[in-house]
Amino acid sequence: KQEVTQIPAALSVPEGENLVLNCSFTDSAIYNLQWFRQDPGKGLTSLLLIQSSQREQTSGRLNASLDKSSGRSTLYIAASQPGDSATYLCAVRPEDSSYKLIFGSGTRLLVRP
Amino acid sequence: DGGITQSPKYLFRKEGQNVTLSCEQNLNHDAMYWYRQDPGQGLRLIYYSQIVNDFQKGDIAEGYSVSREKKESFPLTVTSAQKNPTAFYLCASRTSGRYNEQFFGPGTRLTVL
Repeated sequence: KQEVTQIPAALSVPEGENLVLNCSFTDSAIYNLQWFRQDPGKGLTSLLLIQSSQREQTSGRLNASLDKSSGRSTLYIAASQPGDSATYLCAVRPEDSSYKLIFGSGTRLLVRP
Repeated sequence: DGGITQSPKYLFRKEGQNVTLSCEQNLNHDAMYWYRQDPGQGLRLIYYSQIVNDFQKGDIAEGYSVSREKKESFPLTVTSAQKNPTAFYLCASRTSGRYNEQFFGPGTRLTVL
């Protein structure tokens, strides 16, 4: 059974710091992996989607990498800002499913001014 | 503006009542989803629909029902059989084709009094 884990559960950093959020999954048979941002009381905003054949994706200050064989993905945030404060969730789509995403429980990030 | 709308934003229910949460999308997506999110946890799949007039149970369907009479609409009914319905409910839709990326609505917070 596929399980997705995100460590740490919470992270507090000073503004300007570069940081890495981690996502691990137990079954490497995935089709893709998606990173989301969630602000308190809001829905999820898709940040990056990495296909299983890709190693990384970049959008602005965000860079997501995928190592499928080791079951790991990282989200790198450069020059963090207070506006980056949110919960970040990763989700994998198993190879045997055309519909299902399996979510981690998220990392709650606070960027202090 | 293309997107997913959910209403109401907040909903209060007395025990023993059924309530219906609305989800509408104008993205022309075939597939739609309902998730439940509890504090500090990831999302869990309640129901999904890949096409009009068809829907399937997810991981936690007991106490919930859905319909998919139109492509744009996928309402969720929380019935009195759902033992612990207080949660944040998120609706999503998915692109077709190669990337299968999911997009989310803003959510409905349901509280049982």
